[in-house]
Amino acid sequence: RKEVEQDPGPFNVPEGATVAFNCTYSNSASQSFFWYRQDCRKEPKLLMSVYSSGNEDGRFTAQLNRASQYISLLIRDSKLSDSATYLCVPRTSGTYKYIFGTGTRLKVLA
Amino acid sequence: GAGVSQSPSNKVTEKGKDVELRCDPISGHTALYWYRQSLGQGLEFLIYFQGNSAPDKSGLPSDRFSAERTGGSVSTLTIQRTQQEDSAVYLCASSREDRGSETQYFGPGTRLLVL
Repeated sequence: RKEVEQDPGPFNVPEGATVAFNCTYSNSASQSFFWYRQDCRKEPKLLMSVYSSGNEDGRFTAQLNRASQYISLLIRDSKLSDSATYLCVPRTSGTYKYIFGTGTRLKVLA
Repeated sequence: GAGVSQSPSNKVTEKGKDVELRCDPISGHTALYWYRQSLGQGLEFLIYFQGNSAPDKSGLPSDRFSAERTGGSVSTLTIQRTQQEDSAVYLCASSREDRGSETQYFGPGTRLLVL
């Protein structure tokens, strides 16, 4: 089983839609979780950090389910500028190692 | 302040040559990471440095790859006797590693093409 699994997509959604991605992780020792977005041919940039059960920032909501070992990202009122690849990144407790998922590609269509 | 910078931004080399990639982290960041991203793939961890601790080299794919970090700041990733499969984007990231400041900030990457 991969350490981090994400549906690669692409998710094609119209502007204004709500879309959700799931990410499952295998290491139960993971304590911190991050969602990064990566635009085509650009470096990843932090979207959101999750340390407890979830986090919300404007149109973006992350929810963590430790028992089932998955984390989700919900995007409301999608914008064209949300088109990117979204990377799920758990961090193992006691180490500095971040494990990057391969990402879920989102295309928001006009 | 300035972000993470990397040089060169692009590098084309011939198979068998050595290459050096440079990373300047954000000032004050104690942790520095190198990743590799092949076309259409996720980020592959290569190595990380944290302060004066021994680096975690567990992600280096072969002994042709090495990295050093001088003075706790600038880092150089060296690939010896490059192979075509080494072609990828090499990303450097740094972080403060303080409680609540685990965010990694990435540089723009070096695109390496081995002919």
